[in-house]
Amino acid sequence: RKEVEQDPGPFNVPEGATVAFNCTYSNSASQSFFWYRQDCRKEPKLLMSVYSSGNEDGRFTAQLNRASQYISLLIRDSKLSDSATYLCVVKRRNDMRFGAGTRLTVKP
Amino acid sequence: GAVVSQHPSRVICKSGTSVKIECRSLDFQATTMFWYRQFPKQSLMLMATSNEGSKATYEQGVEKDKFLINHASLTLSTLTVTSAHPEDSSFYICSASPPGDAFGYTFGSGTRLTVV
Repeated sequence: RKEVEQDPGPFNVPEGATVAFNCTYSNSASQSFFWYRQDCRKEPKLLMSVYSSGNEDGRFTAQLNRASQYISLLIRDSKLSDSATYLCVVKRRNDMRFGAGTRLTVKP
Repeated sequence: GAVVSQHPSRVICKSGTSVKIECRSLDFQATTMFWYRQFPKQSLMLMATSNEGSKATYEQGVEKDKFLINHASLTLSTLTVTSAHPEDSSFYICSASPPGDAFGYTFGSGTRLTVV
């Protein structure tokens, strides 16, 4: 079983739609959680950290459920520029593990 | 913000030759850097953890004699792909984090290696 699992998608949504991505992790000792965004043939870039209390950054909302070892990302009012692969990342001490990523395509 | 510079961004080499990739932290010191590999449409896979002043730690299945890592200073780690073969063609990315940064790591821009 992979340490970090994500639905690979692809998710094809129209502009303005709300889309949610899920992620589960297997190591209960994981300490920090993040969502990264990766555009085609580019390096991943940090989108947002994920906190137990839930956190929001504009149209993006991240949630963490430590008991269920589950992380989510909600994107509201999708834009064409949101098209990318979203990576769920779990950190334990000095070690980061990536999910395979969920591909999102936002269409006009 | 923290900047990680990776060079070269793209390299094409002949089978059997060696290729060196550099990863530099530009505005912070990094005692640890990470090297990842990503094949098309697949996730980032950690290859090794580069430790300044000591040996790198390799993930299971990664050949340490083929992927040589040197972290001779607090701002530079290098990955050398020795005797490259076409199956080594991939996207190689390094990452590092400033000390005390609890919000994730910054990535270099990646190196696309094509072995012909």
